[in-house]
Amino acid sequence: AQKITQTQPGMFVQEKEAVTLDCTYDTSDQSYGLFWYKQPSSGEMIFLIYQGSYDEQNATEGRYSLNFQKARKSANLVISASQLGDSAMYFCAMREGLGGGYNKLIFGAGTRLAVHP
Amino acid sequence: GAVVSQHPSWVICKSGTSVKIECRSLDFQATTMFWYRQFPKQSLMLMATSNEGSKATYEQGVEKDKFLINHASLTLSTLTVTSAHPEDSSFYICSATDRADGTVYGYTFGSGTRLTVV
Repeated sequence: AQKITQTQPGMFVQEKEAVTLDCTYDTSDQSYGLFWYKQPSSGEMIFLIYQGSYDEQNATEGRYSLNFQKARKSANLVISASQLGDSAMYFCAMREGLGGGYNKLIFGAGTRLAVHP
Repeated sequence: GAVVSQHPSWVICKSGTSVKIECRSLDFQATTMFWYRQFPKQSLMLMATSNEGSKATYEQGVEKDKFLINHASLTLSTLTVTSAHPEDSSFYICSATDRADGTVYGYTFGSGTRLTVV
């Protein structure tokens, strides 16, 4: 069965600095997708970045990058130049299989990020 | 981009009553809908997966008779919490996928419903 682990319940970072949020996963599938979502206090789920299991390069989306280490089964999110608006809950998620969104998305426990001025 | 409208945003109901939550895809056909439940400061727990026109598949431990899911059309899925009790108070959020979506992302989330049972 697939499993996502986020071991950091909370993280603090100074504004304009970079922060890494950890995520490890477990799956027996060779094909899978890894996602990061941001959830502000309003509750909406904001998609940040995606990494496919066969992608050789780390995914990047603006200030977000995903440090994908397949052998270690880790998919850490790096946020560069943190902003006050980055304060939120961050979830790592995994889908077994690559195509579309027909397979369920399983979420980790989440990490609450607080950005200090 | 794809939008899923979820209503109501919040609802307060009396213990013993039923509450219906709707998720509607506004500009695409939602072939698959996922329903999640989230307790305060916790993760999203998948409750069930529904495909249009067929019965929902519930995750282990989720009471089928308590959480009724209907996905009768390609644009509408509903979750009904029957005979609600205070322990059912939670944040419920849906996620829809689009058959025509050629990206690997595929998931569009509703804005969530905060249910409080008093």
